[in-house]
Amino acid sequence: ELQLVESGGGLVQPGRSLRLSCEASGFRFDDYAMHWVRQVPGKGPEWVSGISWNSNRVGYVDSVNGRFTISRDDAKKSLYLQMNSLRPEDTALYYCVKDVGPLVGATTFGGLDIWGQGTMVTVSS
Amino acid sequence: EIVLTQSPATLSLSPGERATLSCRASQSVSSFLAWYQQKPGQAPRLLIYDASNRAKGIPARFSGSGSGTDFTLTISRLEPEDFAVYYCQQRAYWPPWAFGQGTRVEIK
Repeated sequence: ELQLVESGGGLVQPGRSLRLSCEASGFRFDDYAMHWVRQVPGKGPEWVSGISWNSNRVGYVDSVNGRFTISRDDAKKSLYLQMNSLRPEDTALYYCVKDVGPLVGATTFGGLDIWGQGTMVTVSS
Repeated sequence: EIVLTQSPATLSLSPGERATLSCRASQSVSSFLAWYQQKPGQAPRLLIYDASNRAKGIPARFSGSGSGTDFTLTISRLEPEDFAVYYCQQRAYWPPWAFGQGTRVEIK
């Protein structure tokens, strides 16, 4: 069974850091691009960051660029999101998501086909 | 940055009726568009990719069409399990791969 399991969420004060992890199973992890998508309860999803199959290309939404870093460890079949300088507006449920294909970037065909159950991040004093 | 505008915000229909959802892009995204369904308490699920291709396991009553700036998701006959929120997402411009704000399909 294809599965993504996130961990690392929690309550953190503004300005502090948090590292999210996602462990994949049931598919060849190193064949696919991976993403983080977040969602405030009651709102629509927001794509946060993505990484290509070989880590050669990464991208971030403007609001987290320079504060968040995405990475992957194919040997551990794991995806990570290092979140620094956290702000209250970063509060959301964070999903780890598998891409249909290996690539990220402009004009990329495909979609986000496997989603984890999410890990909640709350930034508050 | 590309903006995706979905309409209507809410669609009130009865089971068995046809649902037509719209997604309009502020600039052409060619066919680089996907549709997702989300039910309460669940993660989004991929329905359609590349504007018109059904994802694995998606019933044939779901279809996608359009290119450029105007896209449509059609549910030919609504089943009880289809009442949910639907989002479009573009993959033409990076980053970000933005989502629309969603259309809620509710039971009339």
